[in-house]
Amino acid sequence: EVQLVESGGGLVQPGGSVRLSCAPSGFSFSTYWMTWVRQAPGKGLEWVGYINPDGSERVYLDSVKDRFTISRDNAKNTLYLQMNSLRVEDTAVYYCVRGHTVTVHWGQGTLVTVSS
Amino acid sequence: ENVLTQTPGTLSLSPGERATLSCRASQRVYMNFLAWFQQKPGQAPRLLIYGASNRAAGIPDRFSGSGSGTDFTLTISRLEPEDFAVYYCQQYGSTPRTFGQGTQLEIK
Repeated sequence: EVQLVESGGGLVQPGGSVRLSCAPSGFSFSTYWMTWVRQAPGKGLEWVGYINPDGSERVYLDSVKDRFTISRDNAKNTLYLQMNSLRVEDTAVYYCVRGHTVTVHWGQGTLVTVSS
Repeated sequence: ENVLTQTPGTLSLSPGERATLSCRASQRVYMNFLAWFQQKPGQAPRLLIYGASNRAAGIPDRFSGSGSGTDFTLTISRLEPEDFAVYYCQQYGSTPRTFGQGTQLEIK
């Protein structure tokens, strides 16, 4: 069974940093593109970016491009989202998603709250 | 950026009725790479339709997708109580990937 478990969310101050992790299981992680999607409280879904299987290609939403970094460690079977210079508007549930086109498998998400 | 606009914002119907949800793109969606998701409170989105008209595995046949180019439709033929939720369309034919703002399907 495919599972994706996010962790690392919490309360962070504006301007601060946080690193989210996603632990996949039930499939060969190193062969899949992976995506992050976020959802602000009570709002719709917003694509954040994706990474290719070997980590050499990454594409980002413009509003996060110079602040967020998606990376992966295939040896440790983990996907990351490093978030720097956080803003109040980055407050959201962040979902880890398998694939970058047809996305069947989503994690349950981890909440990041940016507030002073 | 390919902006997706969903209508209506809220749809109030009764179980057993037919639901028609619309998604209009600001640019042609490459290869009709358009998906529909269902989301219930506190849950992750669930893929219903991909490639505009292909049902994902395990999705009941009362859900169907149609359309091409810039205009797409999700139809639920006979609403079941568990179908009341928020529905999103998403295009995955270009970057940035974009979602519609959602249609809230509520019980009348």
